[in-house]
Amino acid sequence: GQSLEQPSEVTAVEGAIVQINCTYQTSGFYGLSWYQQHDGGAPTFLSYNGLDGLEETGRFSSFLSRSDSYGYLLLQELQMKDSASYFCAVRDPGAGSYQLTFGKGTKLSVIP
Amino acid sequence: GAVVSQHPSRVICKSGTSVKIECRSLDFQATTMFWYRQFPKQSLMLMATSNEGSKATYEQGVEKDKFLINHASLTLSTLTVTSAHPEDSSFYICSATAQRGADTQYFGPGTRLTVL
Repeated sequence: GQSLEQPSEVTAVEGAIVQINCTYQTSGFYGLSWYQQHDGGAPTFLSYNGLDGLEETGRFSSFLSRSDSYGYLLLQELQMKDSASYFCAVRDPGAGSYQLTFGKGTKLSVIP
Repeated sequence: GAVVSQHPSRVICKSGTSVKIECRSLDFQATTMFWYRQFPKQSLMLMATSNEGSKATYEQGVEKDKFLINHASLTLSTLTVTSAHPEDSSFYICSATAQRGADTQYFGPGTRLTVL
């Protein structure tokens, strides 16, 4: 089966940096994605790591270590609008070639 | 680009009725569409995978006769919740990929279903 673990809640101060970790156990692995979801809204794609290392997109970065089955999402210069839930997701060929398995999500609260 | 729409955004219905939710890819052809259900403060649970012109593949525990999926064209998939009950009340979200094996799924805005 597939399982992904990420913290349920994180609180950080506006302007600070926060890291959201994700560990996974899957029968196969094609890459780790991150999605953002605001309350009542749909998930939006943030980043994808297919290979080890760091991917940077503006204030957001994502890291993957396949040997450790571990990745993280790094948010810099936090803004109030970053308060949302963040999901890591694994593309697992064992679940079908095109399917994503989502973690339970991390609720990020940015405080002034 | 890569915009996915859903209609309706909210629907309230009586128990025992059927509800149809449409998912459209507006500016690309979606070879594969996915339907998810999300309960409050929980993760997205994949219900089924739909490829244009073929039958949907349902996840374990999802009743295919209750959740009818039709992927009639490369830009439209529909989910019909038949004989809805209060426990079917949830947030239903579709997503689509622009090509087979694509890593990025583009999500629709979701449909909030409330069954009275």
